Amino acid sequence: GAGVSQSPRYKVAKRGQDVALRCDPISGHVSLFWYQQALGQGPEFLTYFQNEAQLDKSGLPSDRFFAERPEGSVSTLKIQRTQQEDSAVYLCASSEGLAGAGANVLTFGAGSRLTVL
Amino acid sequence: DQQVKQNSPSLSVQEGRISILNCDYTNSMFDYFLWYKKYPAEGPTFLISISSIKDKNEDGRFTVFLNKSAKHLSLHIVPSQPGDSAVYFCAARSPGTYKYIFGTGTRLKVLA
Repeated sequence: GAGVSQSPRYKVAKRGQDVALRCDPISGHVSLFWYQQALGQGPEFLTYFQNEAQLDKSGLPSDRFFAERPEGSVSTLKIQRTQQEDSAVYLCASSEGLAGAGANVLTFGAGSRLTVL
Repeated sequence: DQQVKQNSPSLSVQEGRISILNCDYTNSMFDYFLWYKKYPAEGPTFLISISSIKDKNEDGRFTVFLNKSAKHLSLHIVPSQPGDSAVYFCAARSPGTYKYIFGTGTRLKVLA
């Protein structure tokens, strides 16, 4: 596609519910990132995929967070048993090249805003 | 401990004047720096990058300056336009890692 597409754009969940956030990266992009942006903060790294391989998940805040990219294109970020502190905008970004190569500019989607009540 | 800091949460500038957005970092090993612009309800949009081996990069109205000894970079926008009103983030990356570390952003308002 022309850009990175994320769905849903807005999600309200009750505390304890599971949520799934979807990311459609730019076609052919090798690298895919998930970032979390809390209100008034900058994006914080969650996890990185190179094709279907999850090479870095050091930023996932707890084992309630899980991400996958089974065929090397679409990715899903799943949050189990949501808590109020999970409320944030979840940004997906993709890049054409490998993460360590050159500047490797990230193209971001519009984000999924999660509100946990 | 924040490795990338944007100490000015907001900035107002008159249309046509220069906007200067600042960013400080603590890790001297960072090899690439990016600036992003973000409008409400949209994702961050890439503006300009600079490698640590350079001290300046220019693209149209946007110029980024890097002062490695001071661990400081700045984004200059000349002339500023009302459409430049947005939140600006700087981001930095360590060599051999995947992730960019972002600052907390500076909200720029360009007054017509």
